[in-house]
Amino acid sequence: KAGVTQTPRYLIKTRGQQVTLSCSPISGHRSVSWYQQTPGQGLQFLFEYFSETQRNKGNFPGRFSGRQFSNSRSEMNVSTLELGDSALYLCASSRTEGLAQYFGPGTRLLVL
Amino acid sequence: GQQLNQSPQSMFIQEGEDVSMNCTSSSIFNTWLWYKQDPGEGPVLLIALYKAGELTSNGRLTAQFGITRKDSFLNISASIPSDVGIYFCAGGAYNTDKLIFGTGTRLQVFP
Repeated sequence: KAGVTQTPRYLIKTRGQQVTLSCSPISGHRSVSWYQQTPGQGLQFLFEYFSETQRNKGNFPGRFSGRQFSNSRSEMNVSTLELGDSALYLCASSRTEGLAQYFGPGTRLLVL
Repeated sequence: GQQLNQSPQSMFIQEGEDVSMNCTSSSIFNTWLWYKQDPGEGPVLLIALYKAGELTSNGRLTAQFGITRKDSFLNISASIPSDVGIYFCAGGAYNTDKLIFGTGTRLQVFP
C-alpha cells in the first residue's frame, strides 16, 4: 500500500506571498492532520480534517488554512508568508481518530 | 506550543548497547506513539500503544504505555548504527486526532 505523499517536497517563497501544499493520504484513511516542525518549537499541530470537515485546530493564526476533498486528499494554504513560517510541514493520515498516524516525507518551505 | 517532556535529550552510545528513553505528561492520554525521524524526512511510526499497561515489541524495540496514562518508555536493545536518528513520543488525547509530541531524543551510535 502506498504511503502518504506530499507535494512539493521543497519550496522557496518570499515574504508576503502565499503557498499551497498538497497531501494524499494512505488509501482508505479518512483523517488527515497537518503539523509544522521547526528547530525551536518542535512538532506543532495545525489542524485535522475528516470527511471534508475540520475537526480540530491548533493555535496558529488565521493565515494558515486547509481543506479536504471528497477523495480525502488535503491541501494546506498559508497566506501573507512571514520569515517565521519557514519550516518542515508534515501531513499525517489515519483510518479514524485515536489510531496511529502515518506521516508523509514533508514539504520544506523556506521564506526569504 | 504544547510539548511532552522527553528524556534524555540526547544519547551517545556504543554499538551493541541497550537504550532507554521516556516521555512524561501532566495530562492523560489514551494513545501513545513512538516515531523515529531521519534528517529531512517525516517521522516513521515504530510502535503504537492503546491501553494502559500495554507492553509492545517491534523487533529490538519495546515500548510500554504507563499505568497512569501519563507516561511511556521506549527501549532499544543491542543498538546498531542504523538506529541513529531522532526519536519522538506522541500522546493522543481522547476524542481527537491531535497528537502532542515530545521534544525528541537524539541518538548517536558509535561503532
